Amino acid sequence: EVQLVESGGGLVQPGRSLRLSCTASGFTFGDYPLSWFRQAPGKGLEWVVFIRSKVDGGTTEYAASVKGRFTISRDDSKSIAYLQMNSLKTEDTAVYYCTKWGGSFSDYWGQGALVTVSS
Amino acid sequence: DIVMTQTPLSSPVTLGQPASISCRSSQSLVHSDGNTYLSWLQQRPGQPPRLLIYKISQRFSGVPDRFSGSGAGTDFTLKISRVEAEDVGVYYCMQATQFPLTFGGGTKVEIK
Repeated sequence: EVQLVESGGGLVQPGRSLRLSCTASGFTFGDYPLSWFRQAPGKGLEWVVFIRSKVDGGTTEYAASVKGRFTISRDDSKSIAYLQMNSLKTEDTAVYYCTKWGGSFSDYWGQGALVTVSS
Repeated sequence: DIVMTQTPLSSPVTLGQPASISCRSSQSLVHSDGNTYLSWLQQRPGQPPRLLIYKISQRFSGVPDRFSGSGAGTDFTLKISRVEAEDVGVYYCMQATQFPLTFGGGTKVEIK
């Protein structure tokens, strides 16, 4: 069974940093791209970042709203993906979802991690 | 960026009756490889999103056959043939033809 578990969320002050982790199981982690999405309270879904598998170069794509502040990485030996979030803003407050990429879609989603940016 | 527009915003439906959600993109979603990367997701209250349909009309594993997707180019539709109580939630279309990936604003399906 495919499982994705996000951790590392919490309350952080504006301008500070936070790192989310996504621990995966139930599939060969290194073979698949991954993507993070977020959902602000009461709002719709927003794509954040995408990382390809190492076989496809491990390259990344970022939403304009987070480019230069967020960094995605992956440790295939541990089946963990990381989302390093720097210079956080109040508008980054959201539930962050880690997803497995199934080819042209996110086929499995984690339960999400709440990040609250507030002073 | 490709803008995705969903209608209606809200869809009150009687149990057992059909529901239909429309999604329109600001430009064609046909990829250079010939595929159209339009998917539909369901988000039940308090739950993460769940993939229902990918590549316009392909049902994901475990998705009931009362859900169907259709369309081409810039116009797409999700249909629920007979709404059940467990179908209550918000439905999103999403395009993955090009980055940035973008979503429609969501359609809330509720029971009358």
